[in-house]
Amino acid sequence: EVQLVESGGGLVQPGGSLRLSCAASGFTFSSYAMHWVRQAPGKGLEYVSAISSNGGSTYYANSVKGRFTISRDNSKNTLYLQMGSLRAEDMAVYYCARDSGSFTGALAFDYWGQGTLVTVSS
Amino acid sequence: DIQLTQSPSFLSASVGDRVTITCRASQGISSYLAWYQQKPGKAPKLLIYAASTLQSGVPSRFSGSGSGTEFTLTISSLQPEDFATYYCQQLNSYPPRFGPGTKVDIK
Repeated sequence: EVQLVESGGGLVQPGGSLRLSCAASGFTFSSYAMHWVRQAPGKGLEYVSAISSNGGSTYYANSVKGRFTISRDNSKNTLYLQMGSLRAEDMAVYYCARDSGSFTGALAFDYWGQGTLVTVSS
Repeated sequence: DIQLTQSPSFLSASVGDRVTITCRASQGISSYLAWYQQKPGKAPKLLIYAASTLQSGVPSRFSGSGSGTEFTLTISSLQPEDFATYYCQQLNSYPPRFGPGTKVDIK
C-alpha cells in the first residue's frame, strides 16, 4: 500500500525556518518525481515545488522561489521541503504528492499524504 | 503560466442529480488535465487523469471529457459521499496549477 506521511509542521515566527519531511513507503520511491502542494486555511490548492526522481531537476512556484528548497534522500525514501524567510502568507497545510508519470510528463498526482500544518505567527 | 477557471464555484444539488463542472484553461493543454475530490480536513483524491481516464477504484458515475481549453467533470447520479470540493489541475506545463475549486453542497 502506498503511503506518504508528512511531518515537521508547527508554529514558527515570521522570518523563521522549518523543514518538512515526507516519508514514503509501499512503492519504489526512487522511481517517482514528487511534489509539494499547500492549502491555506479555507482556500484552494496552491502548487509549491517539484523534484525529479533522481533529484537532478527541481521546480519552484514564484511565490516560494529563493526561500524554499526541495530535496530528497532516495536511500531513506524521504522527501523534504526546507522553508526559510517564512511569511504569514506561507501559513497552510502542506501536502506531499506522488507524480504518476515523470517530472516532465506528469499525468496527475496519484497519491497524497495527509498534510502537515505550518503556522506562521509571532 | 496557464490559468484555470472553474464554473460554477458553488453548486447545490440533491442525491441522484446529474452534476457537471466545467474547467477552462487560458491556453490549450491537450488532454493534460486531472480532476480531484477533496473533503474537509482530508487530502485531495485523484478521480480522473488525462481528461477522461478514470483512476482505479473511482466509481463509474464519475466521468471526464474535453481537450484543448474546455473540460468537464460529470457525476451521473450524485451520492451522499460525493458532497465535496472538486479541483481541476493542468499538467501540460509547469507550474501544474489547480483551478479555484467547485464546492458541491447538499440542497
